[in-house]
Amino acid sequence: TQLLEQSPQFLSIQEGENLTVYCNSSSVFSSLQWYRQEPGEGPVLLVTVVTGGEVKKLKRLTFQFGDARKDSSLHITAAQPGDTGLYLCAGTPGTYKYIFGTGTRLKVLA
Amino acid sequence: NAGVTQTPKFRILKIGQSMTLQCTQDMNHNYMYWYRQDPGMGLKLIYYSVGAGITDKGEVPNGYNVSRSTTEDFPLRLELAAPSQTSVYFCASTRGLGNTIYFGEGSWLTVV
Repeated sequence: TQLLEQSPQFLSIQEGENLTVYCNSSSVFSSLQWYRQEPGEGPVLLVTVVTGGEVKKLKRLTFQFGDARKDSSLHITAAQPGDTGLYLCAGTPGTYKYIFGTGTRLKVLA
Repeated sequence: NAGVTQTPKFRILKIGQSMTLQCTQDMNHNYMYWYRQDPGMGLKLIYYSVGAGITDKGEVPNGYNVSRSTTEDFPLRLELAAPSQTSVYFCASTRGLGNTIYFGEGSWLTVV
């Protein structure tokens, strides 16, 4: 059973377009994190959200934690080819386990 | 600034062979994790540890074993390798929940 479902699974867009990636669960998380992974490397942390309803911005990336702390979204404005990669959400559902989402593979075409 | 170091980087195993993936971290982190990642997919938790002498199963523990005799080291043992264990394995550590998870560079394992 996958506790963290991401959608869409794949996304191919043109440079300059906007996009949103979703991370959903039926479990409550004390915090959620977003990572980006490039081919041949381990994931790298983008942001951590800890409070229900929290919104964080990182340049063109906007992250939101759902009010009930069961879901999160990542919005990218004016995507660039450098944004290409695998985006992963991760969290701990009340235990010490860090569970990762199913992943969203983004390709931004120049 | 080594961070999380895992070895080997690449390995080919024959069906039924056994091997150990080594993982060490120099950040004095209590929490350590082993994940596997199949092509194009997310990471699945195999085992984790919250401190020396304490380990627990993750989402996909079958066919694997771990030990945590020191804070620094968290080796993953594959017994009787099967083709289904062909994957990329990542070791990771963190200071605590909600903190950054640091990953090793990955170990590419092929079972033939």
